[in-house]
Amino acid sequence: GAGVSQSPRYKVAKRGQDVALRCDPISGHVSLFWYQQALGQGPEFLTYFQNEAQLDKSGLPSDRFFAERPEGSVSTLKIQRTQQEDSAVYLCASSFRGMGLVTDTQYFGPGTRLTVL
Amino acid sequence: QKEVEQNSGPLSVPEGAIASLNCTYSDRGSQSFFWYRQYSGKSPELIMSIYSNGDKEDGRFTAQLNKASQYVSLLIRDSQPSDSATYLCAVKNTNAGKSTFGDGTTLTVKP
Repeated sequence: GAGVSQSPRYKVAKRGQDVALRCDPISGHVSLFWYQQALGQGPEFLTYFQNEAQLDKSGLPSDRFFAERPEGSVSTLKIQRTQQEDSAVYLCASSFRGMGLVTDTQYFGPGTRLTVL
Repeated sequence: QKEVEQNSGPLSVPEGAIASLNCTYSDRGSQSFFWYRQYSGKSPELIMSIYSNGDKEDGRFTAQLNKASQYVSLLIRDSQPSDSATYLCAVKNTNAGKSTFGDGTTLTVKP
């Protein structure tokens, strides 16, 4: 497909479980972003990759959150020891160019809805 | 105070009317401004981007930017029921890769 894809689309985890969320960006896109969107709120930035380099992880809420993009394409967001407050939609976005370019457009995937019981 | 502020709404307009959505931001270094539409249960979809002061028109949509007032708006002319959604304002500082979003304004267009 031509767009950003994410899997799984829905994930239910028991508190304390580890989860892994996958993002496949648009082919050739340099930049990849992860956002967390709680119900009724806008997306909140988590982390940003330019190719395989994680340039900004200032939005990761705790050390339980970890993201990687080892080959500069697919990315995985891992959450360890999930808590109820981690319940949200996790959105991945990609853009063609890198940081510093004003006109770079982010394209969002469908998101993964995580529910922690 | 959030970096990007929007009225949460809901904003309700009759079909065919003009819907006006507003957004203010606090980072004076912001240089890129975006409006996304998000249907319930779906991901954000970019509908307008604006980078310089003034108006930018695209079909029924007009984005307006005033950097001195740190204000950006979206006008939707001839509103249709299919425009009913949450509209997210986002700003980007050139020196940062991320976009900062407001919490969105929910728009309902009544037939």
